[in-house]
Amino acid sequence: ETGVTQTPRHLVMGMTNKKSLKCEQHLGHNAMYWYKQSAKKPLELMFVYSLEERVENNSVPSRFSPECPNSSHLFLHLHTLQPEDSALYLCASSEQAWAGEKLFFGSGTQLSVL
Amino acid sequence: AQTVTQSQPEMSVQEAETVTLSCTYDTSESDYYLFWYKQPPSRQMILVIRQEAYKQQNATENRFSVNFQKAAKSFSLKISDSQLGDAAMYFCAYRSPNRYLNSGGSNYKLTFGKGTLLTVNP
Repeated sequence: ETGVTQTPRHLVMGMTNKKSLKCEQHLGHNAMYWYKQSAKKPLELMFVYSLEERVENNSVPSRFSPECPNSSHLFLHLHTLQPEDSALYLCASSEQAWAGEKLFFGSGTQLSVL
Repeated sequence: AQTVTQSQPEMSVQEAETVTLSCTYDTSESDYYLFWYKQPPSRQMILVIRQEAYKQQNATENRFSVNFQKAAKSFSLKISDSQLGDAAMYFCAYRSPNRYLNSGGSNYKLTFGKGTLLTVNP
């Protein structure tokens, strides 16, 4: 039990497809995050949810749509993606969305856009 | 804007030896947090150690310790008695303290370096 579970582990999709990434945390945390990890680039913060409210949208294109139905679940809905969106998408959670908080990460979804 | 630089894309160390990974950062803040995260082949990022900038004492977690030089904006990670399980990508990260949003600022952004790939040789 890793605490933060992401599915699917791998995803291949065409540019016209619609798919969703799922993240679930079993730690009782109140904050959840989506990060994008591209080859040769630093991790980029995409979205932050605190108590199910989106508190940060780091200039992410609208083809990425997050959803947080409760404090344990986080989704990232994908539509009309571009090949440059191929990356590892990491979900994380923390007790609160506080600066010094330890983040707990999932193992990510490796996304390939054809 | 804050930036984090890891100047060593790759490092290697012999098992049981000591290795130091470098990290420098740029900020105009006086209070902030610094982290080292480890990402093994399983892809799951794991927190190794955390340092609060207002604390002068260097953080230590078992075989892992940091050399925090605030004036030089340097935050290196020392791994003692290296083990095969230490092989991973290591990321240095910076985060500002929570405050009201201002233009270009972020309450929640953890800024990462590009990482250092550590190989441990048996």
